[in-house]
Amino acid sequence: DAGVIQSPRHEVTEMGQEVTLRCKPISGHNSLFWYRQTMMRGLELLIYFNNNVPIDDSGMPEDRFSAKMPNASFSTLKIQPSEPRDSAVYFCASSLGRVTGRFQETQYFGPGTRLLVL
Amino acid sequence: DQQVKQNSPSLSVQEGRISILNCDYTNSMFDYFLWYKKYPAEGPTFLISISSIKDKNEDGRFTVFLNKSAKHLSLHIVPSQPGDSAVYFCAARGIYNQGGKLIFGQGTELSVKP
Repeated sequence: DAGVIQSPRHEVTEMGQEVTLRCKPISGHNSLFWYRQTMMRGLELLIYFNNNVPIDDSGMPEDRFSAKMPNASFSTLKIQPSEPRDSAVYFCASSLGRVTGRFQETQYFGPGTRLLVL
Repeated sequence: DQQVKQNSPSLSVQEGRISILNCDYTNSMFDYFLWYKKYPAEGPTFLISISSIKDKNEDGRFTVFLNKSAKHLSLHIVPSQPGDSAVYFCAARGIYNQGGKLIFGQGTELSVKP
């Protein structure tokens, strides 16, 4: 299995530009998570989907951030307009979700996208 | 409001000795805990977990201990190896968030010296 795939791995952009991060979860996984890692706040959950439906977006910083999951094999996290304080590493993770009545908690992370907003 | 805290940002241990990484939490509704390991330029990888109905879980060189009354968990690595050098995150899940949200600590960077 290829694991969780994220693209791009690195992104450098200027303030005000739109940024789109992409994620392909592990095939068969029903839950998808977007995290952001910064020195100040550590690893924080932004939003997660279950069966392509957003369940909890309370971690999304503000309206400049949006996430979509149009199908089971693809999700995007968009920042528009981007600001220097958005500079961070963004991780996507997936998990099996509910399997035979029990939740499988282990989340499998992608390699991350390192975003720098100048 | 940091619900999961790893108060030691770094830890240095000699190869072959025991590494003990600590994690404290504040929310009594957490009922499942995980440890992740992260190498530079990679995503975190799952290491070991424990349910609140247990106080110990062991997997090879890795053991996690849970003290619910103290709201404290620890990860023991015995013996430590240079390849264990990484950042370790503890994470917790609330009883009403099954299959969902994990709250992560800030991480502890472990350095195992040969």
